[in-house]
Amino acid sequence: SQTIHQWPATLVQPVGSPLSLECTVEGTSNPNLYWYRQAAGRGLQLLFYSIGIDQISSEVPQNLSASRPQDRQFILSSKKLLLSDSGFYLCAWSRAGINTEAFFGQGTRLTVV
Amino acid sequence: AQSVSQHNHHVILSEAASLELGCNYSYGGTVNLFWYVQYPGQHLQLLLKYFSGDPLVKGIKGFEAEFIKSKFSFNLRKPSVQWSDTAEYFCAVNGERAGNMLTFGGGTRLMVKP
Repeated sequence: SQTIHQWPATLVQPVGSPLSLECTVEGTSNPNLYWYRQAAGRGLQLLFYSIGIDQISSEVPQNLSASRPQDRQFILSSKKLLLSDSGFYLCAWSRAGINTEAFFGQGTRLTVV
Repeated sequence: AQSVSQHNHHVILSEAASLELGCNYSYGGTVNLFWYVQYPGQHLQLLLKYFSGDPLVKGIKGFEAEFIKSKFSFNLRKPSVQWSDTAEYFCAVNGERAGNMLTFGGGTRLMVKP
């Protein structure tokens, strides 16, 4: 069976510090991978979307970047965090192709202080 | 670009009341439609999905949704809600023209009073 791991679960970082959130998927190959941010009352905002290694689409301009160094690894990064980067970040995966649903990780609560 | 609108941001119901949450999407091709639920303190999980076939889709826990193509809608319904249905509900869409990118609506926070 497939599983998705996202860590850390919570993170408190000072303004200006770097960020690295990691997500890995097991039990499947060539998944579509997603990073979302969930803000209270604002639903789920798609940040990055990847259909393959080094194939990443950015949906909104921001202080964040994403990388996919391996087929089942998706990393969300920042060189210098801003207060506005605080939020709940979710990683998700889906099978390649149409007619697929997404499966979500447990999320990371990031607080920038 | 595809987009999803959920009309109700907050809904408060008493137990046994009927529920209908609206979802409209904007997309120019064949779509797949989803409803996800997030119970307090838990991760997002799939409630039901529509790919093709019968436009009335049955999901878990007595939920159903109807795809009305002419209205670009996929409303979620439940005849009688329970306190345990208190959660946030998200409508989502993807489609081949957008590379199967999954786009979510803003979510509806449902509170069911016992």
